[in-house]
Parts: sequence; C-alpha cells; structure tokens
Amino acid sequence: AQTVTQSQPEMSVQEAETVTLSCTYDTSESDYYLFWYKQPPSRQMILVIRQEAYKQQNATENRFSVNFQKAAKSFSLKISDSQLGDAAMYFCAYRSPPYYGGATNKLIFGTGTLLAVQP
Amino acid sequence: NAGVTQTPKFQVLKTGQSMTLQCAQDMNHEYMSWYRQDPGMGLRLIHYSVGAGITDQGEVPNGYNVSRSTTEDFPLRLLSAAPSQTSVYFCASSYSRTGGNSPLHFGNGTRLTVT
Repeated sequence: AQTVTQSQPEMSVQEAETVTLSCTYDTSESDYYLFWYKQPPSRQMILVIRQEAYKQQNATENRFSVNFQKAAKSFSLKISDSQLGDAAMYFCAYRSPPYYGGATNKLIFGTGTLLAVQP
Repeated sequence: NAGVTQTPKFQVLKTGQSMTLQCAQDMNHEYMSWYRQDPGMGLRLIHYSVGAGITDQGEVPNGYNVSRSTTEDFPLRLLSAAPSQTSVYFCASSYSRTGGNSPLHFGNGTRLTVT
C-alpha cells in the first residue's frame, strides 16, 4: 500500500524568507499524482499545487513550487517570500493512477507540517 | 458558488447517541467522500461514492454509514457514537470519479466531540 511521510511536524520561517517542506512517499506505481494542501486556522483545506508523476517539469504556482524527485520518491514544497498568511498546516497527498478503478480518486495524506511565519 | 457545504460546524454528542453529518455540493461532481482528521494522523478516508446509488468503504469505515441517493448529497451517519469518533470530519468532492489530477474540493469541516 502507498504511504506518505512528512518528517517535519513543525517548521518556522521568517517573513520574506524561503522555506522548504519535505514529503516522501512509498509506491510501486509508475504513474500517479501528488498534491500539497494548505489548512489555515480556519480549518479550510486549500489546494496549493499538484504534480503529475509523468511530467518531469516541476510544478509552480506563484510563490509556491515543488521539487519532484521521482527516483527518490520525494515531493518537497518550496515557499518563497513567505508571508504571514502562509502560516498553516501543510499536507502532502498521493493519488494512484485512474486505471485501478473507482477507488483511485482517494487521496492518501501525510501527517502534516505546521508552518509558523515569524514577522 | 457554494461549492461543498457541510453542516453542522460543531457538534457535541453523548456516547451512544446517533447523528447525521450533512454534505451537499452544487458542482455536479460525480465523486464524493468523507475523511476524518485526527492530530498526528493526517486525513483518513471513511467512505466514498462514485455516483448516485454507489458507495464503498475507505480506510476507516467502522461505526459510520453513508448513502448517496442524489448526485448532490452525501450524508454520513454515526449510529452509536463513541469517544473514538471525536474528530474533525471533512466532506470532499471531485468532478472525475477516476481522479487523475482533478483536485478534491473540501467542505469547511465539522468538529465532533463525543463525551
């Protein structure tokens, strides 16, 4: 079974600095999808960025980018120019490819990294 | 655009009581699901549905029932609440039943406490 590991329970960054959140996963599948979700204190789950494993190019969304290392099964999130509003719990998630049937829509989540942003 | 609407936001139950968490989406999504979030454990899938009349179990289904009579609604029922069911519950939906890179859209969650 696939697993997702976030080894940093908590991280801290100064405003305007850059921080990288780690995520590793275990799978025997060659094609899959990876996601980062942000959960601020409001409890809302917000999609930050997504990556298809068959794409070699790292995904980027404004100040958020990923470092996807398929061979190492690593999917880290880099936040540049950190802002106070980035303070949140961040979850990494894995999804199997679609040809395995109806259950493939499920996301397997890591345990999360709580990011604090210091002014 | 309401998206995914969950009610209630907060609920306190006594052990043995029953209740239903409501979830509705107005995006015509095929796929709907329920997750629970516990500290240090991330989110875990309880039940899911790939369309009206079709439901299946996720990772932690015990103690919960679901049904999907319409595309829009996917209620989660606790038949006899236990303290172990104290958690934050999220309903999530997705356009595609098969996933791919189609993201899950989440409701705002229900914090349930069972005493």
